[in-house]
Amino acid sequence: DTEVTQTPKHLVMGMTNKKSLKCEQHMGHRAMYWYKQKAKKPPELMFVYSYEKLSINESVPSRFSPECPNSSLLNLHLHALQPEDSALYLCASSQGHSGTGYYEQFFGPGTRLTVL
Amino acid sequence: DAKTTQPNSMESNEEEPVHLPCNHSTISGTDYIHWYRQLPSQGPEYVIHGLTSNVNNRMASLAIAEDRKSSTLILHRATLRDAAVYYCILRDANSGYSTLTFGKGTMLLVSP
Repeated sequence: DTEVTQTPKHLVMGMTNKKSLKCEQHMGHRAMYWYKQKAKKPPELMFVYSYEKLSINESVPSRFSPECPNSSLLNLHLHALQPEDSALYLCASSQGHSGTGYYEQFFGPGTRLTVL
Repeated sequence: DAKTTQPNSMESNEEEPVHLPCNHSTISGTDYIHWYRQLPSQGPEYVIHGLTSNVNNRMASLAIAEDRKSSTLILHRATLRDAAVYYCILRDANSGYSTLTFGKGTMLLVSP
């Protein structure tokens, strides 16, 4: 199974709502990532978890709160978002995160978020 | 991360070879050259990577210049399914982090 799943596929929320995005992988990967992709732009890294610990936060506003409850799951909690946060949110996983060489990242299909 | 430069877009006809160029003149000795692609409405997917030697896999070939300042992704016979944005990314083997920094990429259009 080389699949990363993301739910929901689409999400519409108001600026006062609280919602969560979910990502799951069963490849035994110990690194998981959140990326944000605005329309017609490349993906931008938001957060990296390595062995369930947050290792990189790319200066993301606190209205985005990541959580890694176990090695297979990654959540992104959303609160008080702005319309400019509307984007495709991509989750990825890889075998590892640090060290020599490289680790291919496997991406999910993304959650398309619209903030009204 | 060292930077890459790619054409904004390229066009191809189905069943013809496609050569997608990437310039990376500031590449360091420990940078791997990676290619990912993103099909419409999907997340990116890994295509191929290399360090110094040319590489082949079931999806594509990667030709790396002798001075490593440029590389070319080769799709041997383009299909409509290959229409995507192709990203050339440098990853430092010694950086301690295996994150991806995406550039603008090349949008490949394939005509029947």
